[in-house]
This record gives sequence, structure tokens and C-alpha cells, in this order.
Amino acid sequence: DAKTTQPPSMDCAEGRAANLPCNHSTISGNEYVYWYRQIHSQGPQYIIHGLKNNETNEMASLIITEDRKSSTLILPHATLRDTAVYYCIVRAPPGFQKLVFGTGTRLLVSP
Amino acid sequence: SAVISQKPSRDICQRGTSLTIQCQVDSQVTMMFWYRQQPGQSLTLIATANQGSEATYESGFVIDKFPISRPNLTFSTLTVSNMSPEDSSIYLCSVGPRGQSNEQFFGPGTRLTVL
Repeated sequence: DAKTTQPPSMDCAEGRAANLPCNHSTISGNEYVYWYRQIHSQGPQYIIHGLKNNETNEMASLIITEDRKSSTLILPHATLRDTAVYYCIVRAPPGFQKLVFGTGTRLLVSP
Repeated sequence: SAVISQKPSRDICQRGTSLTIQCQVDSQVTMMFWYRQQPGQSLTLIATANQGSEATYESGFVIDKFPISRPNLTFSTLTVSNMSPEDSSIYLCSVGPRGQSNEQFFGPGTRLTVL
């Protein structure tokens, strides 16, 4: 799996957009970008994933650069419950299942 | 989605003893994984639990220390053997991939403290 680099921590005001960056400069052409988050004392939770195109679901948006060397997870209206550690993970296509976690970004959403 | 339960949810153990952690899934799954999360750290994959065959361990983890069973497609156990304080961690069971997104689902974890 390709290595990812994320800032160790970020702050965001409640109601504002949280933009979490991730660098994955060694990503291979068939590798996907996955985002998970871990709220304190819970198991990690899937957020979103993408290959080339930008993706959006009910939780977040994922913006992947054209060269695929970096991506940004966007929480459009952060709430206090979004305070968590966010992990950006690069993995091979379905059929290669294991997730390898990096250090993640600790997002603190404040009132 | 998948509903995953782990037992025990937490335990305090004496050094030199062993603890077996159970992971139960509400439906059959192909892949089951065990992770360790040391205090303040990220998750580290211990092994992939294979049904009907020996688990596949990651570098730095050995079967003698972390024996794993996978008797069927909904259940697995991880034993932490001959424990030391350095084994104090959260141990998480995970299953997947599932669904269109090929996501992995995680159990609530077992918080282990070794004295």
C-alpha cells in the first residue's frame, strides 16, 4: 500500500467547512483513496472513497487532484460530533482487502 | 453494514496470564482482521483470520504470542498470551469488504490493561 501524509491536527469552528488534506504521491494507478474516522473510544468508521473523480455522499465530499497525488476530505458543515481522528488510506482495488492505517489527523471542532 | 460484537469490552489482567477476545459478526463474512491500538497511537494490523486455515500474521506479530482461531464465517478469537504491560492496548476486530464501497467494519474494541 502507498504511504499517506496527513497533518497531525486541525481545528474547525462548528458550522464551518472542515477541509482535511492528504498527500499520497506514490499512489499507483489502480489504488483507491479511502477515508475513515475514529471517534474517541469507538472503532473506525468508513466515510468515503474514490479513484479519480470527486465523490460526495451524505457524510462528506472527496476531492482528488488530477495527478492523484493528493486529496481533500471536506465536511461541509462540521458539528461537535465530527471531532475525531481522520485517516486517509490508499489501498488496492477490491480483492485486496487489508487496510493499513497511518497516523491520521485529529480534528477538533469547537463551538 | 455489519454488526460486530466483542467480548470482553474491557479487562484488567496480571502479567504472565493470557486473555482470549471473542469477535462475533451478525452475518457470514469472508475476511476477518485483528488490529491493535496502543495508547495514543494509530491502528496496527496484527493478522488476518482465515477460516479453515492458519491466520496470516503481519511483520512483528507471531502466532505464539497472538494465537487466532476462526472456526466459522461469523466468529473469531484472538488470544494475547503471556501478557506484559506493553500489551496494554485496545484490540479491534474488523470484517470486510462489504457492500458497493468495499468498506471494512470495525467492532467496538476490547480495552486491555496489563498490570
